[in-house]
Amino acid sequence: DTGVSQDPRHKITKRGQNVTFRCDPISEHNRLYWYRQTLGQGPEFLTYFQNEAQLEKSRLLSDRFSAERPKGSFSTLEIQRTEQGDSAMYLCASSLAGTAGGPSNEQFFGPGTRLTVL
Amino acid sequence: RKEVEQDPGPFNVPEGATVAFNCTYSNSASQSFFWYRQDCRKEPKLLMSVYSSGNEDGRFTAQLNRASQYISLLIRDSKLSDSATYLCVVNNFNKFYFGSGTKLNVKP
Repeated sequence: DTGVSQDPRHKITKRGQNVTFRCDPISEHNRLYWYRQTLGQGPEFLTYFQNEAQLEKSRLLSDRFSAERPKGSFSTLEIQRTEQGDSAMYLCASSLAGTAGGPSNEQFFGPGTRLTVL
Repeated sequence: RKEVEQDPGPFNVPEGATVAFNCTYSNSASQSFFWYRQDCRKEPKLLMSVYSSGNEDGRFTAQLNRASQYISLLIRDSKLSDSATYLCVVNNFNKFYFGSGTKLNVKP
């Protein structure tokens, strides 16, 4: 399968625990995005990388959240001291930058990691 | 004000009907526009990009009105398999903003 993959698909954790999710983008894609989606809402932008550089972070991304893409390939999203409000679907997407680093082309999404914080 | 606003629906239509969804966006400098489809408990998938001149893909037609900051999607001859949530997406300087989605139910 050459699409975007995410691991794990489901995570149940207790409040206060740390969790880490992984995303493997489409191999030739240089941009990688993280989103959070709750029921009845569209995906909300969290952060994005171009290659290994984290270029933008949403105000939604509190200091308990951190994302990395150390070699410009896979990415991890860590949530520390989880809260019940963190329960959501965490989606990863990848895309190719346009010419001269311009607007992104279409994004391809992974299947998501569904987080439940008890 | 939200970056992207959509009517949540649901739109309940019979097979064969024509249905239209609208979406407005707040940033006049937005650079590119898309419609995504999301099935229940699945990831969003690109339906089509939206170009200034309007574009068509089979039964689907997308329009963009930059002056009014308005995007539309028209589905002709609806099929049962078109039942899904349709997400309007706007790209502002490489940040993608999604609407909350419009739910479509196509009934036999």
